[in-house]
Amino acid sequence: DTAVSQTPKYLVTQMGNDKSIKCEQNLGHDTMYWYKQDSKKFLKIMFSYNNKELIINETVPNRFSPKSPDKAHLNLHINSLELGDSAVYFCASSRPGLAGETQYFGPGTRLLVL
Amino acid sequence: GESVGLHLPTLSVQEGDNSIINCAYSNSASDYFIWYKQESGKGPQFIIDIRSNMDKRQGQRVTVLLNKTVKHLSLQIAATQPGDSAVYFCAENRESGYSTLTFGKGTMLLVSP
Repeated sequence: DTAVSQTPKYLVTQMGNDKSIKCEQNLGHDTMYWYKQDSKKFLKIMFSYNNKELIINETVPNRFSPKSPDKAHLNLHINSLELGDSAVYFCASSRPGLAGETQYFGPGTRLLVL
Repeated sequence: GESVGLHLPTLSVQEGDNSIINCAYSNSASDYFIWYKQESGKGPQFIIDIRSNMDKRQGQRVTVLLNKTVKHLSLQIAATQPGDSAVYFCAENRESGYSTLTFGKGTMLLVSP
């Protein structure tokens, strides 16, 4: 009955590799997000998609490419991983994504780049 | 544990005390504010929200106060329990057509039995 789910939960990989993280929500929401949480627990928005269309891209390197095959899924592909990409990545979703809509977060994917 | 080296502002209370967590927000145009709770190893969980046309909102054991004059938000937790131990974030919504949350730095609440 998980509302927002992410896979994998843990991801350990070498620098230079390419990896993907998947996110699915079963809440019927139109909008999905990716956030990055660094080692100091600071949470920052990366991307937002509304009904499969990119609406927010917060100055993220183009090595990060989100893909939304349908409005229930938002995957994050990362090329040429760097040490600084090590973080926890959270997916979230909300209803239309307008100001004032609560965002619901997934459990996170802990990425460690060696 | 996970808190080592984090240097988050920390509030330590005894079980049964009332807790107050404070947050200063940055954008005077923000019109929607949310408090999230993040337990160790989990994603942020919605606690309570407030819109800029209100200065107080109450939930079950929690109250949020908004002071727009000084751009300050607080979360009050009544009769704090060990299960309330977590990192608490305030988030503000920038003035835009879409929901763009800007999160504060987080405060760790530690509740001793």
